Amino acid sequence: GQSLEQPSEVTAVEGAIVQINCTYQTSGFYGLSWYQQHDGGAPTFLSYNALDGLEETGRFSSFLSRSDSYGYLLLQELQMKDSASYFCAVGGGNKLTFGTGTQLKVEL
Amino acid sequence: NAGVTQTPKFRILKIGQSMTLQCTQDMNHNYMYWYRQDPGMGLKLIYYSVGAGITDKGEVPNGYNVSRSTTEDFPLRLELAAPSQTSVYFCASTGQIYNSPLHFGNGTRLTVT
Repeated sequence: GQSLEQPSEVTAVEGAIVQINCTYQTSGFYGLSWYQQHDGGAPTFLSYNALDGLEETGRFSSFLSRSDSYGYLLLQELQMKDSASYFCAVGGGNKLTFGTGTQLKVEL
Repeated sequence: NAGVTQTPKFRILKIGQSMTLQCTQDMNHNYMYWYRQDPGMGLKLIYYSVGAGITDKGEVPNGYNVSRSTTEDFPLRLELAAPSQTSVYFCASTGQIYNSPLHFGNGTRLTVT
């Protein structure tokens, strides 16, 4: 089976940097993904890591350590519009398993 | 391209009723998925399909059925609806399971009373 753990809630101020951690247990692992979901909306893809290291996409970066079964999403220069839920997800066996999500609240 | 289209957007069912949630995609994706999301929770996989004619159970399949007669369509059937099936249902698809994003529909908000 597969299981993922991430913090339930994170609060940060506009312009700051925030890191959302994700630890996982899985069999047949082939990548860690991150998705963003605004209230009432559908999840949208942010990033994917198959290999160890940091992937950067604009203000967002994602890191993976396969040996530690650990990854994180780093959001820089936070904006109010970044207030949303963020889900890590692991791929294995033709399917994607999602974590329970981290609600990010960005304050002025 | 429309992407992944789900219908209906909202539905209220009485206990014991049945319904089909429709999902269609126009991206020629082989992989399709049904997730449910309860308030404040993550996405739980109900059923998935790796191609036409092939379906498999996910984490929470009880009370649901699916079919995949074409590449485009992946309907989810609820038989004998129960209050525990009140949730938001998302259909998603992808072209390959490695290094490829899931494309989600806008969801169906279902209430069973």
